[in-house]
This record gives sequence, C-alpha cells and structure tokens, in this order.
Amino acid sequence: ETVLTQSPVTLSLSPGERVTLSCRTSQSVSSYIAWYQQKPGQAPRLLIYDAVNRATGIPARFSGSGSGTDFTLTISSLEPEDFAIYYCQQRSDWPLTFGGGTKVEIK
Amino acid sequence: QVQLVQSGAEVKKPGASVKVSCKASGYTLTGYYLHWVRQAPGQGLESVGWINPNSGATKYSPKFEGRVTMTRDTSISTAYMELNSLRSDDTAVYYCARDYRRVMDTIMTFDYWGQGTLVTVSS
Repeated sequence: ETVLTQSPVTLSLSPGERVTLSCRTSQSVSSYIAWYQQKPGQAPRLLIYDAVNRATGIPARFSGSGSGTDFTLTISSLEPEDFAIYYCQQRSDWPLTFGGGTKVEIK
Repeated sequence: QVQLVQSGAEVKKPGASVKVSCKASGYTLTGYYLHWVRQAPGQGLESVGWINPNSGATKYSPKFEGRVTMTRDTSISTAYMELNSLRSDDTAVYYCARDYRRVMDTIMTFDYWGQGTLVTVSS
C-alpha cells in the first residue's frame, strides 16, 4: 500500500498569503495525484487531478506540481473561503490511498 | 445538475450489517464508476472500493474484502454499499462519489460526492 504523508499538519496564515502544501508518497506514483479541499460538515471537493490539472470550475489561484514521490499544492493568494483541510490522494496502485491532511487555518 | 443523494444516518450494534444507498440524478449512473469513501470522526479519508455500474464489476480495498458488497439497480439509478460484521471502528461517515471521467476512461478520482451517511456502531 502506498502511504501518503502530508506536511505540515497545520498552517496558520492570513488572507492574501501564498500557501504551499506538501504531499510525499512512499513509492513513485508517477503523476497520479489528486488534491481535495474539505470544509467542516461538507464532502470533499476535487481541486487538482493528475498532479497539475485543475478540475472544472476551480479558480486559477490553485495549482499543482510534482511527479514521482513529491507533490505540491499551491494557493497563490489565500481567500477567506480557502480555510479548510486539504487532502492528497494517489491512484497509481490499489488500494487508493489518501494523505492525512493539512489544515489551513486563519492566523 | 449532477447530484448524489444518500440514505439517512444509521445506528447499528456490533456484528450487524448496514446498507447505504446512493441515488444518482443529472447523469446516467452507468456512465461513470461510483466509489465509496469513508471518514471516521475527526479523521482522514479512506477508500472502501468501487463499482462499475455499467457492468456490475467491483473492486474492494483489501481492508474491507470479505465484509463489503457493492451493488447497483440501474432501473432506479441507485448504488448500494453493504458492510457486514460491523465493529465500533466502522463508525464513520460513508460517502459515495462519482469518478471524474466516464467509464471507459476512468481515472479513480472523485468529483461529485454524496452528502454522506453517518453510520454509528455501538452496543
């Protein structure tokens, strides 16, 4: 099973700041990484698929990069609605696995 | 618009079974893989498995193999997940989620999600 490790666990930031979230995998997953955003009491929302592709309707301030074992989700300028938990997910092998999440909170 | 509407919360005793439904609207159920993902209280996300509603083929995470069954009824655009031999650590919100791409091009990535069904296992 491929283990995904996200860092940091928590980030305290202010609106307008640039955010960089990390996801490292225990083995290469090529570019088969997705990123999701989850707010309290809501289902996750797909942001990025296959490492670099924004899902339909996702604002351009969200971008993804990486390949192999190291991946990054960047939010260029935090909006108030971006404070949430972010998860990465790999689809390279079975079972599909998720990282433990990074919480982006208001400073 | 695409919607996945799940059945309501359940409370079960250890050893019992639970069956959660997921009704699709706004698209053809058979056109996309349907995944099940769970989230224990305050915890992260965990894949349970998927069903190809077109063929009925399924694949389950090894952790749930032997305890989970995924089915569908295409006549009412509804998918089901049944989990048996429930334990207290099965207490979680169970989500159904549609694959981002159509059946012939599935990418095991989830775009539309149901609202979640809380399953509580307690004696």
